[in-house]
Amino acid sequence: KQEVTQIPAALSVPEGENLVLNCSFTDSAIYNLQWFRQDPGKGLTSLLLIQSSQREQTSGRLNASLDKSSGRSTLYIAASQPGDSATYLCAVRGLGGGGNKLTFGTGTQLKVEL
Amino acid sequence: DAGVTQSPTHLIKTRGQQVTLRCSPISGHKSVSWYQQVLGQGPQFIFQYYEKEERGRGNFPDRFSARQFPNYSSELNVNALLLGDSALYLCASSLLQGSEKLFFGSGTQLSVL
Repeated sequence: KQEVTQIPAALSVPEGENLVLNCSFTDSAIYNLQWFRQDPGKGLTSLLLIQSSQREQTSGRLNASLDKSSGRSTLYIAASQPGDSATYLCAVRGLGGGGNKLTFGTGTQLKVEL
Repeated sequence: DAGVTQSPTHLIKTRGQQVTLRCSPISGHKSVSWYQQVLGQGPQFIFQYYEKEERGRGNFPDRFSARQFPNYSSELNVNALLLGDSALYLCASSLLQGSEKLFFGSGTQLSVL
């Protein structure tokens, strides 16, 4: 059974700081890994999707890396802003059946302070 | 174009009651998935429907059921509500069964008293 863990559970940083969020998964047989953002009481917004054959993906100030063999992914946020405050979730899609079922981590709650 | 819409946004029920949550996917999307997110946890997969058929089921009791209609909208039903069913219920749509991109609605916040 796939298990996804995210560290740290919560993080508070001053504006402008670069930061790294970590995600680990127990079963390396994945199809892809995604990072999502969730604002309080809201749904999820997809940030980055990395295929199992890829090492990283970039979008603006965000960079996500994937090391499938070690079961790890990191989300790097450059020059953080107060608007980045949210919960960040990583999710993996396994190989085989189950359609597009995602297994999520518990998230990292990020607060960027002025 | 409208995104994924869910109704109602908030709902309060008492233990033992039944509830129906509704989801309309993005126009043209044929797959709908349901997730349960308990406070402080990541979403947990409940069901996926594609072309009106169940294509995946998570580890949830039979009190949870769902269906998809010809217009691809979907309903999630939960019977005999328990306090532990209190959660944010998220619906996600995708173009096809195996599509990589999922688009999530804002969810229905269910409180069971």
